[in-house]
Parts: sequence; C-alpha cells; structure tokens
Amino acid sequence: RKEVEQDPGPFNVPEGATVAFNCTYSNSASQSFFWYRQDCRKEPKLLMSVYSSGNEDGRFTAQLNRASQYISLLIRDSKLSDSATYLCVVNTPMEYGNKLVFGAGTILRVKS
Amino acid sequence: DAGITQSPRYKITETGRQVTLMCHQTWSHSYMFWYRQDLGHGLRLIYYSAAADITDKGEVPDGYVVSRSKTENFPLTLESATRSQTSVYFCASTAGPSQYNEQFFGPGTRLTVL
Repeated sequence: RKEVEQDPGPFNVPEGATVAFNCTYSNSASQSFFWYRQDCRKEPKLLMSVYSSGNEDGRFTAQLNRASQYISLLIRDSKLSDSATYLCVVNTPMEYGNKLVFGAGTILRVKS
Repeated sequence: DAGITQSPRYKITETGRQVTLMCHQTWSHSYMFWYRQDLGHGLRLIYYSAAADITDKGEVPDGYVVSRSKTENFPLTLESATRSQTSVYFCASTAGPSQYNEQFFGPGTRLTVL
C-alpha cells in the first residue's frame, strides 16, 4: 500500500464548478499536511497547508480527519487557470528533520 | 538571482556513464533534498541533507551518490547510469527541521538514459 494515495483522475469539470479531491495516508505518525500544485511537470509549489480544524484560502478549502487519516481539498468556482495536478503531501519524521511524502497527484482539467 | 537553481535542465546520456546533477540555493537553507518524479509514483525522495557534511538516504537511494561540502550546493551523482534512472529530478530546500517549513523546489532536470 502506498503511503499517500490519491485518485489520479483526471477530473474534467466546466468553469464555475465545484470539485473535491480526496487523499488518504497510512503513517499515523504524520504530523503536518499540505496540498501542492504542479503545472505541466514543472516544479511543485505549495498551494496550502492543512490544519486540524480545516482552513480556507479564497476558493480553496482543505480539511483533515486524523482519525480516518484522510485529507481533502475543495475548489469552488473553478477557473481555467486551476487546471493542474494537485499533490497531496504528508510530512513525517525521519532521522534528521522531516520528510515530505507525495501522493501521485490528481489531474484537474477545467474547460470553458 | 535568489532562489534555487538546477543544472543542466535537460540531459541525455548513455547507460554506464557517470552523470552529476547540480543544485544551488541562495537562501542559506540548512536542509536540501533530491527527488525523482516518474509517472504513477509521484515524487520520491532519493537523498537529503540536514547541513553541510550531513546526508542521509531517502526512499530510493540505490545508484545515487550525494555530497554537501557547502551549504548552498547539493550535487547528485549517478555513478553508472541505467535506463531506469530516466526521470525528472527535482532539488528542494527548506530552512529548518520544522514540520511546518515549506519546501521550495528547483525547476527540475529532465534526464534521459539511452
């Protein structure tokens, strides 16, 4: 079983739609969680951190369920520019510091 | 320019050759990382470094060597390249060990081993 699992998609949605991505992780020692965005095999960039109480940044809402080891990302009012791959990322301890474990990504395509 | 850079951006080599991928950051971040990205696998950690002269293996270290003599540089060497090492390689850095520190990624090196 992969340490971080995501539905690969692709999710094809029209502009203005609401879309949700889910992610599960297996390491209960994981302490922090993130969503990264990656465009066309360019470098990943941090979209948002995921806090225990859930958090919102404009059209984006992230939620965490530690008991179920489940993370979600909700995008409202999708824009063409939201088309990208969304990476679920889990931070887990290692010998020196922490490591990021990446899911394989979920592809989003927003169409006009 | 400030930031994290990688060179070369594209490299084609042959099996058995030694290849070194360079990574340079200007933030004086203590932590640096090397990942490879392959279809269906996401990014996988190859090696990381907590400071100059401190390195450790990640998830997929076999066939790779790293060094970190200076804080700003973290080269990755493929001692004898194999076709399975064809991939996109990303270098990243972060300021410290905190689990909340953001990792910043370089633009990537696309390596093809023939």
